[in-house]
Amino acid sequence: AQKITQTQPGMFVQEKEAVTLDCTYDTSDPSYGLFWYKQPSSGEMIFLIYQGSYDQQNATEGRYSLNFQKARKSANLVISASQLGDSAMYFCAMRRRSGGYQKVTFGIGTKLQVIP
Amino acid sequence: AAGVIQSPRHLIKEKRETATLKCYPIPRHDTVYWYQQGPGQDPQFLISFYEKMQSDKGSIPDRFSAQQFSDYHSELNMSSLELGDSALYFCASSLSGVSNQPQHFGDGTRLSIL
Repeated sequence: AQKITQTQPGMFVQEKEAVTLDCTYDTSDPSYGLFWYKQPSSGEMIFLIYQGSYDQQNATEGRYSLNFQKARKSANLVISASQLGDSAMYFCAMRRRSGGYQKVTFGIGTKLQVIP
Repeated sequence: AAGVIQSPRHLIKEKRETATLKCYPIPRHDTVYWYQQGPGQDPQFLISFYEKMQSDKGSIPDRFSAQQFSDYHSELNMSSLELGDSALYFCASSLSGVSNQPQHFGDGTRLSIL
């Protein structure tokens, strides 16, 4: 069974500093996708960044980058130049195809708090 | 751009009542997912539909049912509501044939059972 592990229940970072949120995954499928979502206190789930298992380069989206280490099965999210608005829950998720359909599993999340 | 629309945003029910949550996916998205997120928890997958057919089933209680209609909107029907059903319910949609497309989430329906 596929599994997503986020080992940091909570993280603090100083404003304008960079922070890395950890995510490891476990799957035997050769083809899969990894996603990060942000969930502010208001509750909505916001897509941040995607990394495919066959992608050669690490994904980047503005201040977000994904440190993808396939051999270690890790997909850490790096947020550069943290802003107060980055304070939120962050979920790592993995998608794979099962029986012809997409199946997605979420990690338990990391709560990030940005300190002024 | 159009997003996933969920209604209602908030719903208050009493034990043993029924509730219906609605979801309108992004146009041309062929897959709809329902998730339940309890306080302080990650989203738990309930059920999904691909092209109006149920494609996968997760931890959905027998008291719940869902369907997707011809216009692709989906409804989650919940009966004999219990206090433990209080949660944020998300609907998400995606385009299955494109690998790098994420699930796009609606803003959720916050269900409170009194």
